[in-house]
Amino acid sequence: EDQVTQSPEALRLQEGESSSLNCSYTVSGLRGLFWYRQDPGKGPEFLFTLYSAGEEKEKERLKATLTKKESFLHITAPKPEDSATYLCAASSGSARQLTFGSGTQLTVLP
Amino acid sequence: NAGVTQTPKFRVLKTGQSMTLLCAQDMNHEYMYWYRQDPGMGLRLIHYSVGEGTTAKGEVPDGYNVSRLKKQNFLLGLESAAPSQTSVYFCASRPVSDTQYFGPGTRLTVL
Repeated sequence: EDQVTQSPEALRLQEGESSSLNCSYTVSGLRGLFWYRQDPGKGPEFLFTLYSAGEEKEKERLKATLTKKESFLHITAPKPEDSATYLCAASSGSARQLTFGSGTQLTVLP
Repeated sequence: NAGVTQTPKFRVLKTGQSMTLLCAQDMNHEYMYWYRQDPGMGLRLIHYSVGEGTTAKGEVPDGYNVSRLKKQNFLLGLESAAPSQTSVYFCASRPVSDTQYFGPGTRLTVL
């Protein structure tokens, strides 16, 4: 059974305090590892896709990395507007179904 | 483009009532998905479709039915709603590439 586990469940940072979110996965036939951002009351918003170990992608203050068992979302010098829930999902199967983790709720304090 | 839209945004049902949630996409995507999101459990796949006229079961299909009569629409039905189906429902679609794009969600409460 495919499993995706995210840690920590919640993280509070001061503005400018860098940190990392963890996503560990056990998936048969991984087709991609996805990161989404979700704001309260809204649908998930796509951030990154990673396909192979060693791959990295960046967008503004966010950088996602992938190993054979984990992915990390690094947040550098975060701002209050980065506050959101960050979701990790693994794609598998012929229809590229996503298995989601339960998310990390990030709060960045001014 | 409106992207992925969902109707309605909110709904309250009584136990045993039925309803249909509509998902529409204007991006000509082949694949469409229905998920439910519950506190502490992340999003779980209910049903999906790989093209017009096709449907398949996901992780938690019991109590739900789906139809994809038109490429742009994916309907999720609850024949006899139960309190355990209280949740936020998200629809997603994707093109041939892997990225799924999500709608804004429908918040359903079953009393």
